[in-house]
Amino acid sequence: KQEVTQIPAALSVPEGENLVLNCSFTDSAIYNLQWFRQDPGKGLTSLLLIQSSQREQTSGRLNASLDKSSGRSTLYIAASQPGDSATYLCAVSSGGGADGLTFGKGTHLIIQP
Amino acid sequence: KAGVTQTPRYLIKTRGQQVTLSCSPISGHRSVSWYQQTPGQGLQFLFEYFSETQRNKGNFPGRFSGRQFSNSRSEMNVSTLELGDSALYLCASSSGQGYTDTQYFGPGTRLTVL
Repeated sequence: KQEVTQIPAALSVPEGENLVLNCSFTDSAIYNLQWFRQDPGKGLTSLLLIQSSQREQTSGRLNASLDKSSGRSTLYIAASQPGDSATYLCAVSSGGGADGLTFGKGTHLIIQP
Repeated sequence: KAGVTQTPRYLIKTRGQQVTLSCSPISGHRSVSWYQQTPGQGLQFLFEYFSETQRNKGNFPGRFSGRQFSNSRSEMNVSTLELGDSALYLCASSSGQGYTDTQYFGPGTRLTVL
């Protein structure tokens, strides 16, 4: 059964810093990995999708990498801003979709002004 | 394009009642998935529908059911509500098969069971 772990569970940094969020998964036979952000009490906003054949994806200040063989992904946020404060979730799709997306518990990020 | 919409946004029910939640996917999307989010368990997969057929189902009791209509709108139903069913219920849509494409989530329905 696929399991997804995110480290750290919480992170607080001053504005302007670059930061890295980590995600690991136990079964490397994935179709893709997706990063989301969730603001308090809200739904999920898709940030980046990396297909299993890709190594990284970039969108603005965000860069996500995927190392399928080692079961790891990182989300790099450059020049952090207070508006980046949210919970970041990593999710993998595997097993032909039988279990839907498997999510980590998330990293709660606070950017201090 | 309009995003995924869910109604109602908030619900308060009592134990033993039943509830129906609705999800309208992004126009043109044929796959709709449902998830339950709780502080303790995080996000857990309930089921996925594609072209009116349930394709996959998570590990939830039979009290949780769903359906999809010909216009891709989906409903989920929870019968005989329990206190533990209190959660944020999220639906997601995708253009193709849900497990290969980007999933777009709605704002969720917050269900409170008293």
